[in-house]
Amino acid sequence: NAGVMQNPRHLVRRRGQEARLRCSPMKGHSHVYWYRQLPEEGLKFMVYLQKENIIDESGMPKERFSAEFPKEGPSILRIQQVVRGDSAAYFCASSPTIRTRVSHSTDTQYFGPGTRLTVL
Amino acid sequence: AQSVSQHNHHVILSEAASLELGCNYSYGGTVNLFWYVQYPGQHLQLLLKYFSGDPLVKGIKGFEAEFIKSKFSFNLRKPSVQWSDTAEYFCAVYGGSQGNLIFGKGTKLSVKP
Repeated sequence: NAGVMQNPRHLVRRRGQEARLRCSPMKGHSHVYWYRQLPEEGLKFMVYLQKENIIDESGMPKERFSAEFPKEGPSILRIQQVVRGDSAAYFCASSPTIRTRVSHSTDTQYFGPGTRLTVL
Repeated sequence: AQSVSQHNHHVILSEAASLELGCNYSYGGTVNLFWYVQYPGQHLQLLLKYFSGDPLVKGIKGFEAEFIKSKFSFNLRKPSVQWSDTAEYFCAVYGGSQGNLIFGKGTKLSVKP
């Protein structure tokens, strides 16, 4: 069973360009999470999506950032007009189903290898 | 707001030394707790998790963690570290109704051969 896939692994953009990061969840997982890791910081939650729905985007910057998880295909994190401060590692995680009081065993999030974005 | 604190930024040990990495969280309700490890150049891997039951949780590669509710702690331990344990370790918590994990800032472990 393949793990969470992310591509590209490394992405270099100039200021003002667009960055598109892709995440394919593990087979059978319908929940996707995006996190950002800045240097010397832990991972910070950005957005939580199910197929065709954004469930929680409380961690997303208000401008330039968007995310989707279409019915077919990978989840996409899109950053428009990138700035140097967007340079970071972006990690995607997936989980099988929504957590409930009973089925806690399905709560574990499995992480992809990350995309390291460098903005020149 | 929920938060996770990892007290040690960088720990340096010799092989065979014992390890304990501290983790404290702020949420007072039912929590699910995790330790993840990130080896150099690799993605996060789950070491162990606590949902309920026995507060002493055993994970992969000889790691264990103890959930102490009264202290809001979930410290990671290993009796004898190896050079291959050199990595960054992250404590994380699910709390409340949110679907996301709250991570600590991580502890870098360097094991000298």
